[in-house]
This record gives sequence, C-alpha cells and structure tokens, in this order.
Amino acid sequence: KNQVEQSPQSLIILEGKNCTLQCNYTVSPFSNLRWYKQDTGRGPVSLTIMTFSENTKSNGRYTATLDADTKQSSLHITASQLSDSASYICVVSATNTGFQKLVFGTGTRLLVSP
Amino acid sequence: EADIYQTPRYLVIGTGKKITLECSQTMGHDKMYWYQQDPGMELHLIHYSYGVNSTEKGDLSSESTVSRIRTEHFPLTLESARPSHTSQYLCASIPPGHRVGYNEQFFGPGTRLTVL
Repeated sequence: KNQVEQSPQSLIILEGKNCTLQCNYTVSPFSNLRWYKQDTGRGPVSLTIMTFSENTKSNGRYTATLDADTKQSSLHITASQLSDSASYICVVSATNTGFQKLVFGTGTRLLVSP
Repeated sequence: EADIYQTPRYLVIGTGKKITLECSQTMGHDKMYWYQQDPGMELHLIHYSYGVNSTEKGDLSSESTVSRIRTEHFPLTLESARPSHTSQYLCASIPPGHRVGYNEQFFGPGTRLTVL
C-alpha cells in the first residue's frame, strides 16, 4: 500500500533555532518527492521537488534531502522565523507521465515560538 | 506562479442545501484536481480532469460531482449537503507542457465548508 509517514506530528521550537522534519514513504513506482508548506486555512505551497536522482534541494532557509534507497526524506529549516509556523507536508508522486498519483503525508505541525 | 481562485473561502449551510464550490485558474492549465482535507489529516483526491469535458473520480469516494466545460473553471457541486461533508476542499492545477518528473501542482486557498 502506498503510504507516506511523517514525524514528528508536531513540534515547537524557539525562534532562530534549526529543526529537521522527517518523511518515510512506501510509494511505488516513485517519481518525485515534494515538500509543501501549508498555513492554517490555506492551500499548500510548494517548497521543493526532487526526483530520485536528486539527493538535496534548497529553497532559501529550507533544505530537503532524499535517500531513494532507504525511501526517506528530511526537511531542514535553518534559523527559524515566526512565519515558519505552519504544517509541512511530504508528498510523493507515484507516476512519471500523464496523470500523477500523489500520496500525501498527514504533515508535521510546526510552531515557532518567540 | 499560477493564480488559482476558490470561492467562497468559507461557507456555512444547512443540511439538504445544494451548493457549488468554484475553482478557476487564469494560466490555461489543462489538468485540475479537487482534494478534500479534514483538520490535521492528509489530502484525499476526490475528482480530477485532464481537460475540457474530461472528469474522473479520485481515490476517495465522494457524493460530489464536477464539470469541466471551460478550461479555466472546475466547479464542484453537492446536490444535498450533509454534516459529513464538513471539510476543507482544495483545488489544484498543473500547467501543460510539464517537465517529466516534476509536474508541480499549484493549489488554491481552499474552501472551508461547514454543514449544520
């Protein structure tokens, strides 16, 4: 069964600190992995997209890693800001052409505290 | 950057009412999607469309219906709303000529529906 599991479920950190969110998946055939940021009551916004040949991708203070062998990904947030408070969703695409089947994780809810 | 609009943003209605959630995009995207998301839960695909006059059901069974008469519009309709339909509904789209392996989906802001 295609699944995406994220940990931790929720996290509270102090402003300025770093944190790392984890994603494990059992999706096949693997096409790509994305990390989205979703503010409360809003739609998800893409942070990074990686195919199986890419093992790291950065977007400002966000750095995602991918290990296609162990089927694990992480999202590292550097020097956190209050605006980073949101849910971070790991999404794995299970096809490479035509209609893409996306498998969503339940997200990690991050709260950055002043 | 894609512009995807959803209206209304919030809707509170009584049981049995017919409602239509609007989704429109201004970038000529051919593929469009509807997801349902309960609080703290993952997104579930309920409908998708490859283009005009193309609609398919997604993974999650839904009593809603969709239509795609024009490229830019992908409305979702509930003929008779029930409390079990209370959820957030997210619309997304993908531009044509996608780069293989990337296919980034752009999401709208969502409609939060509450059925009393």
